Amino acid sequence: GAVVSQHPSRVICKSGTSVKIECRSLDFQATTMFWYRQFPKQSLMLMATSNEGSKATYEQGVEKDKFLINHASLTLSTLTVTSAHPEDSSFYICSATPSGRTDTQYFGPGTRLTVL
Amino acid sequence: KQEVTQIPAALSVPEGENLVLNCSFTDSAIYNLQWFRQDPGKGLTSLLLIQSSQREQTSGRLNASLDKSSGRSTLYIAASQPGDSATYLCAVGPDTDKLIFGTGTRLQVFP
Repeated sequence: GAVVSQHPSRVICKSGTSVKIECRSLDFQATTMFWYRQFPKQSLMLMATSNEGSKATYEQGVEKDKFLINHASLTLSTLTVTSAHPEDSSFYICSATPSGRTDTQYFGPGTRLTVL
Repeated sequence: KQEVTQIPAALSVPEGENLVLNCSFTDSAIYNLQWFRQDPGKGLTSLLLIQSSQREQTSGRLNASLDKSSGRSTLYIAASQPGDSATYLCAVGPDTDKLIFGTGTRLQVFP
């Protein structure tokens, strides 16, 4: 089956530092990847849509300069949280849509970010 | 703006019971609806996908129905097991690739 991995699974950083999270589709190519954020006991909120070779599309209220997304290849998208603050602490989940398909998203295992 | 709500927020039942989880959405113009399972601190596992033209989907002990006109979907779990304990999320697709998630139902099935 289609597998999506995320790295790291957990990260703890100091306030003001930047953190990069990787999302990889292991056995399929993904033209489109999505980044979600999930706060404790809340649902997933879509942050941005990442398209290979083009700029990401951000949802309303998500700061594009704070959450940098790069989708440089058909199997890798990265989310960089710049100048992280404690309120950025959350569970970040990515998903990937196989190229040529639009109605299926395969989800990664998530990355727990804690900003001290 | 599409809003997705799930009731109940939490549910604790003994093993063997049949369960119904509810999902409602405010805008009936959807492309599809999916049910996911999320284990604590983990990603999502897709359970069932219902296209807007369909009324239900079944997989093993799971059955999901969709009533677009009333903005409702239900997930029926037959003969629940402790291994079913997880958070169940429904998500509607307003178009072909975006998903809007519900608030989730935390299910605990005890032996």
